[in-house]
Amino acid sequence: QVQLVQSGAEVKKPGASVKVSCKASGYTFISYGISWVRQAPGQGLEWMGWVGGYNGNTDYAQNLQDRVTMTTDTSTSTAYMELRSLRSDDTAVYYCARSRGMSYGLDVWGQGTTVTVSS
Amino acid sequence: QSVLTQPPSASGTPGQRVTISCSGSSSNIGTNYVYWYQQLPGTAPKLLIYSNNQRPSGVPDRFSGSKSGPSASLAISGLRSEDEADYFCSGWDDSLSGVVFGGGTKLTVL
Repeated sequence: QVQLVQSGAEVKKPGASVKVSCKASGYTFISYGISWVRQAPGQGLEWMGWVGGYNGNTDYAQNLQDRVTMTTDTSTSTAYMELRSLRSDDTAVYYCARSRGMSYGLDVWGQGTTVTVSS
Repeated sequence: QSVLTQPPSASGTPGQRVTISCSGSSSNIGTNYVYWYQQLPGTAPKLLIYSNNQRPSGVPDRFSGSKSGPSASLAISGLRSEDEADYFCSGWDDSLSGVVFGGGTKLTVL
Protein backbone atom coordinates (compact mmCIF):
# COMPACT_ATOMS: atom_id res chain seq x y z
CA GLN A 1 0.00 0.00 0.00
CA VAL A 2 1.06 3.59 -0.55
CA GLN A 3 2.84 4.81 2.55
CA LEU A 4 5.00 7.67 3.79
CA VAL A 5 7.02 6.94 6.92
CA GLN A 6 8.74 9.82 8.69
CA SER A 7 11.69 9.93 11.05
CA GLY A 8 11.29 10.19 14.79
CA ALA A 9 10.74 13.08 17.15
CA GLU A 10 13.47 15.69 17.61
CA VAL A 11 14.36 18.11 20.39
CA LYS A 12 16.57 21.01 19.35
CA LYS A 13 17.96 24.16 20.90
CA PRO A 14 17.24 27.60 19.43
CA GLY A 15 19.59 28.35 16.55
CA ALA A 16 20.15 24.71 15.67
CA SER A 17 19.00 22.86 12.53
CA VAL A 18 16.74 19.85 12.08
CA LYS A 19 16.44 17.43 9.18
CA VAL A 20 13.31 15.29 8.86
CA SER A 21 13.08 12.34 6.47
CA CYS A 22 10.06 10.89 4.69
CA LYS A 23 10.44 7.45 3.10
CA ALA A 24 7.94 6.56 0.40
CA SER A 25 6.78 3.11 -0.59
CA GLY A 26 4.04 1.49 -2.67
CA TYR A 27 4.24 3.89 -5.63
CA THR A 28 6.65 5.26 -8.24
CA PHE A 29 8.48 7.94 -6.29
CA ILE A 30 9.52 10.04 -9.29
CA SER A 31 5.92 10.34 -10.52
CA TYR A 32 4.93 12.53 -7.58
CA GLY A 33 6.27 15.36 -5.49
CA ILE A 34 6.31 15.78 -1.73
CA SER A 35 4.88 18.74 0.14
CA TRP A 36 5.80 19.58 3.71
CA VAL A 37 3.15 20.95 6.06
CA ARG A 38 3.53 21.85 9.71
CA GLN A 39 1.09 22.28 12.56
CA ALA A 40 1.99 24.17 15.71
CA PRO A 41 0.35 22.96 18.95
CA GLY A 42 -3.39 23.65 18.85
CA GLN A 43 -3.05 25.52 15.56
CA GLY A 44 -3.95 25.04 11.90
CA LEU A 45 -1.95 23.74 8.96
CA GLU A 46 0.87 25.70 7.34
CA TRP A 47 2.33 24.75 3.95
CA MET A 48 6.12 24.94 3.93
CA GLY A 49 6.93 24.00 0.38
CA TRP A 50 7.15 21.30 -2.27
CA VAL A 51 9.90 19.23 -3.86
CA GLY A 52 9.51 17.32 -7.12
CA GLY A 53 10.25 13.62 -6.99
CA TYR A 54 11.56 13.53 -10.56
CA ASN A 55 13.97 16.45 -10.77
CA GLY A 56 14.12 17.85 -7.25
CA ASN A 57 12.61 21.18 -8.27
CA THR A 58 11.47 23.14 -5.24
CA ASP A 59 8.98 25.82 -4.31
CA TYR A 60 9.12 27.24 -0.79
CA ALA A 61 6.69 29.31 1.24
CA GLN A 62 7.82 32.93 1.16
CA ASN A 63 8.13 33.21 4.95
CA LEU A 64 10.45 30.18 5.16
CA GLN A 65 12.50 30.30 1.97
CA ASP A 66 15.60 31.67 3.72
CA ARG A 67 15.67 28.86 6.30
CA VAL A 68 14.33 25.73 4.62
CA THR A 69 15.79 23.25 2.13
CA MET A 70 13.87 20.33 0.65
CA THR A 71 15.63 17.52 -1.18
CA THR A 72 15.02 14.01 -2.46
CA ASP A 73 17.05 10.83 -2.83
CA THR A 74 15.49 8.83 -5.66
CA SER A 75 17.71 5.82 -4.92
CA THR A 76 15.93 5.34 -1.59
CA SER A 77 12.60 7.05 -2.42
CA THR A 78 13.15 9.43 0.45
CA ALA A 79 12.42 13.12 0.79
CA TYR A 80 14.10 15.40 3.30
CA MET A 81 13.23 18.73 4.87
CA GLU A 82 15.91 20.74 6.66
CA LEU A 83 14.99 23.80 8.73
CA ARG A 84 17.77 26.02 10.01
CA SER A 85 18.09 28.72 12.67
CA LEU A 86 15.33 27.16 14.72
CA ARG A 87 13.19 29.33 16.96
CA SER A 88 10.68 28.42 19.65
CA ASP A 89 7.81 29.11 17.27
CA ASP A 90 9.10 26.37 14.96
CA THR A 91 7.87 23.87 17.56
CA ALA A 92 5.30 21.84 15.64
CA VAL A 93 4.36 18.54 14.10
CA TYR A 94 5.88 18.34 10.63
CA TYR A 95 4.10 16.28 7.97
CA CYS A 96 5.18 15.16 4.54
CA ALA A 97 2.44 14.50 1.99
CA ARG A 98 2.34 13.27 -1.59
CA SER A 99 1.04 15.38 -4.46
CA ARG A 100 1.15 15.29 -8.26
CA GLY A 101 2.36 18.86 -8.39
CA MET A 102 2.83 21.82 -6.09
CA SER A 103 -0.72 23.09 -6.68
CA TYR A 104 -2.39 19.69 -6.36
CA GLY A 105 -4.08 18.10 -3.38
CA LEU A 106 -2.17 16.08 -0.80
CA ASP A 107 -3.50 12.57 -1.11
CA VAL A 108 -1.22 10.55 1.16
CA TRP A 109 0.27 11.84 4.42
CA GLY A 110 3.07 10.71 6.66
CA GLN A 111 2.44 10.08 10.34
CA GLY A 112 4.07 13.34 11.40
CA THR A 113 7.31 14.21 13.20
CA THR A 114 7.26 16.29 16.36
CA VAL A 115 10.01 18.90 16.49
CA THR A 116 10.42 20.69 19.80
CA VAL A 117 12.63 23.77 20.02
CA SER A 118 13.57 24.58 23.58
CA SER A 119 16.57 25.89 25.47
CA GLN B 1 -4.38 35.01 10.22
CA SER B 2 -5.25 32.42 7.56
CA VAL B 3 -5.67 33.36 3.90
CA LEU B 4 -8.83 31.24 3.67
CA THR B 5 -11.55 31.95 6.21
CA GLN B 6 -13.50 29.20 7.95
CA PRO B 7 -15.78 29.31 10.98
CA PRO B 8 -13.85 28.04 14.01
CA SER B 9 -16.59 25.65 15.04
CA ALA B 10 -19.67 23.82 13.82
CA SER B 11 -21.97 21.30 15.41
CA GLY B 12 -24.85 18.98 14.68
CA THR B 13 -26.73 15.99 15.99
CA PRO B 14 -26.48 12.48 14.56
CA GLY B 15 -28.30 12.21 11.24
CA GLN B 16 -28.28 15.94 10.61
CA ARG B 17 -26.71 17.75 7.67
CA VAL B 18 -24.03 20.33 8.39
CA THR B 19 -22.09 22.63 6.11
CA ILE B 20 -18.72 24.28 6.62
CA SER B 21 -17.86 27.37 4.61
CA CYS B 22 -14.51 28.49 3.25
CA SER B 23 -14.07 32.02 1.97
CA GLY B 24 -11.17 33.08 -0.22
CA SER B 25 -10.45 35.46 -3.06
CA SER B 26 -9.91 35.64 -6.80
CA SER B 27 -6.26 34.66 -6.38
CA ASN B 28 -7.04 31.33 -4.73
CA ILE B 29 -10.49 29.71 -4.59
CA GLY B 30 -11.82 32.00 -7.31
CA THR B 31 -9.48 30.53 -9.93
CA ASN B 32 -8.05 27.30 -8.52
CA TYR B 33 -9.30 24.00 -7.17
CA VAL B 34 -10.42 23.61 -3.58
CA TYR B 35 -9.39 20.69 -1.39
CA TRP B 36 -10.82 19.60 1.95
CA TYR B 37 -9.01 17.63 4.64
CA GLN B 38 -10.31 15.85 7.71
CA GLN B 39 -8.11 15.56 10.78
CA LEU B 40 -9.27 13.21 13.49
CA PRO B 41 -7.87 13.87 16.97
CA GLY B 42 -4.20 12.97 17.24
CA THR B 43 -3.84 11.86 13.63
CA ALA B 44 -2.51 13.19 10.35
CA PRO B 45 -4.90 14.99 8.00
CA LYS B 46 -6.70 12.95 5.35
CA LEU B 47 -7.79 14.13 1.91
CA LEU B 48 -11.59 14.28 1.89
CA ILE B 49 -12.46 16.25 -1.27
CA TYR B 50 -10.27 17.16 -4.24
CA SER B 51 -10.83 19.33 -7.32
CA ASN B 52 -13.74 21.16 -5.65
CA ASN B 53 -16.18 18.24 -5.47
CA GLN B 54 -14.47 14.89 -6.08
CA ARG B 55 -14.19 12.19 -3.43
CA PRO B 56 -11.15 9.94 -3.21
CA SER B 57 -11.82 6.24 -3.17
CA GLY B 58 -13.10 5.18 0.23
CA VAL B 59 -14.62 8.51 1.26
CA PRO B 60 -18.36 8.05 1.89
CA ASP B 61 -20.78 9.91 -0.35
CA ARG B 62 -22.12 11.61 2.78
CA PHE B 63 -19.32 14.09 2.18
CA SER B 64 -19.69 16.56 -0.69
CA GLY B 65 -17.94 19.72 -1.81
CA SER B 66 -19.03 22.70 -3.84
CA LYS B 67 -17.58 25.98 -5.02
CA SER B 68 -19.05 29.26 -6.17
CA GLY B 69 -16.79 32.16 -7.09
CA PRO B 70 -14.30 32.80 -4.27
CA SER B 71 -16.14 30.61 -1.76
CA ALA B 72 -16.49 26.91 -1.16
CA SER B 73 -18.46 24.63 1.12
CA LEU B 74 -18.17 21.16 2.58
CA ALA B 75 -21.41 19.39 3.37
CA ILE B 76 -21.75 16.36 5.59
CA SER B 77 -25.08 14.58 5.54
CA GLY B 78 -26.27 11.83 7.88
CA LEU B 79 -23.88 13.08 10.56
CA ARG B 80 -22.17 10.37 12.61
CA SER B 81 -20.17 10.48 15.83
CA GLU B 82 -17.01 9.45 13.97
CA ASP B 83 -17.25 12.64 11.87
CA GLU B 84 -16.16 14.64 14.92
CA ALA B 85 -12.88 16.15 13.71
CA ASP B 86 -11.17 19.27 12.42
CA TYR B 87 -11.83 20.17 8.79
CA PHE B 88 -9.51 22.32 6.69
CA CYS B 89 -10.03 23.84 3.25
CA SER B 90 -7.05 24.48 1.01
CA GLY B 91 -5.97 25.61 -2.42
CA TRP B 92 -3.27 27.20 -4.48
CA ASP B 93 -2.84 30.96 -4.27
CA ASP B 94 -1.53 32.61 -7.44
CA SER B 95 -0.43 35.79 -5.67
CA LEU B 96 1.53 33.97 -2.97
CA SER B 97 2.67 31.19 -5.33
CA GLY B 98 1.94 28.70 -2.63
CA VAL B 99 -0.65 26.47 -0.98
CA VAL B 100 -2.92 28.18 1.53
CA PHE B 101 -5.14 26.66 4.19
CA GLY B 102 -8.16 27.79 6.12
CA GLY B 103 -7.81 28.06 9.87
CA GLY B 104 -9.85 24.91 10.36
CA THR B 105 -13.34 24.15 11.66
CA LYS B 106 -13.84 21.94 14.68
CA LEU B 107 -16.94 19.83 14.14
CA THR B 108 -18.72 18.58 17.23
CA VAL B 109 -21.37 15.87 17.04
CA LEU B 110 -23.76 16.53 19.91
